[in-house]
Amino acid sequence: DTGVSQNPRHKITKRGQNVTFRCDPISEHNRLYWYRQTLGQGPEFLTYFQNEAQLEKSRLLSDRFSAERPKGSFSTLEIQRTEQGDSAMYLCASSFGHSPTDTQYFGPGTRLTVL
Amino acid sequence: SQQGEEDPQALSIQEGENATMNCSYKTSINNLQWYRQNSGRGLVHLILIRSNEREKHSGRLRVTLDTSKKSSSLLITASRAADTASYFCATDASAGKSTFGDGTTLTVKP
Repeated sequence: DTGVSQNPRHKITKRGQNVTFRCDPISEHNRLYWYRQTLGQGPEFLTYFQNEAQLEKSRLLSDRFSAERPKGSFSTLEIQRTEQGDSAMYLCASSFGHSPTDTQYFGPGTRLTVL
Repeated sequence: SQQGEEDPQALSIQEGENATMNCSYKTSINNLQWYRQNSGRGLVHLILIRSNEREKHSGRLRVTLDTSKKSSSLLITASRAADTASYFCATDASAGKSTFGDGTTLTVKP
């Protein structure tokens, strides 16, 4: 399967702990996106990368959140000092990145539960 | 707040019937996309319509776009139980950022 993969699929953590998620995009895709989705709502944009450069960050991405894509391939999203409000599905997507009409291909998501 | 809003929030139909979902948005866009999401899983891209297009077809799907009204509709014809899912529209006003609505939950009863 050459689609977008995310690990882990599920993460349960205690409030105050740090967590890190990984996203492996489709190999030839230059753009990588992170979204957060809570129950009953649509995905909310968090940030995106063009190759290794982080080009846009949402105001939703507080100082506790950081994302990296060091070699322009896989990406990590870290949440420090987790709070119960961080409980959500974290979705990663990738696209070719050659035009404004790129289709984004989504991974299965990482479901985070903060106790 | 989200850019797109889907209507209705929930839709229940019998297998074989057509399902129509609507999406309204607020600002100018480059394109609009529709996605499907099965319960607790990732999003599957269905169709993209550019701002200069008015209608597009893909299999049993028909999408329309009215930029003057800032609205789009997704029609699924001859629905099947497997079409049961949440459907989201996403608008792309700038490269790299998609803004999603809160979705329409479709239930197709066998």
